[in-house]
Amino acid sequence: GQQLNQSPQSMFIQEGEDVSMNCTSSSIFNTWLWYKQEPGEGPVLLIALYKAGELTSNGRLTAQFGITRKDSFLNISASIPSDVGIYFCAGQGISTSGTYKYIFGTGTRLKVLA
Amino acid sequence: NAGVMQNPRHLVRRRGQEARLRCSPMKGHSHVYWYRQLPEEGLKFMVYLQKENIIDESGMPKERFSAEFPKEGPSILRIQQVVRGDSAAYFCASSRDRLGEQFFGPGTRLTVL
Repeated sequence: GQQLNQSPQSMFIQEGEDVSMNCTSSSIFNTWLWYKQEPGEGPVLLIALYKAGELTSNGRLTAQFGITRKDSFLNISASIPSDVGIYFCAGQGISTSGTYKYIFGTGTRLKVLA
Repeated sequence: NAGVMQNPRHLVRRRGQEARLRCSPMKGHSHVYWYRQLPEEGLKFMVYLQKENIIDESGMPKERFSAEFPKEGPSILRIQQVVRGDSAAYFCASSRDRLGEQFFGPGTRLTVL
């Protein structure tokens, strides 16, 4: 099945540093979403973006819906140890054949060093 | 406001047995989605259901797997004659609208011995 490309795949950062990750696709989406998943749990929705160019914040998290509608970015400022987890992007829309699509990225594994 | 509920959280089956995974959507949500996740991998879409209807099952294997979302009661993902390769975490999500934000349950971790 199709998946979105996320980068980086994993990263170790020092507490207090800013983190950036992105998600790219070969096709257009109407909505971009970012989720965080912790071990043994389901993904938790962090931010949803609905318009190309939209920039949305949720606390220390900021996400942007790319102008081309084929990419999205997530930034975490001043990281803390509890930011550890896997961050997934998801693109949502209607395919050219008219079917529904909701595609997840491959995930960015974040580890924060205290 | 209860979130998406899934049970059981952990399920162990022997090869050849049947596995039934249940999902109760959030209150007010009538759209349910099932995903499968292997260790260290992302989520793979399986099936999308709206009350009593399967909308999109393009991600679900043609054999042994089935899903339903009856008028009353939870959505059920059923795996018949399980094999070791079916071992994975299965997540259910629900949304209010067809293209609405999806909220996930805690998942069911299936282990096939």
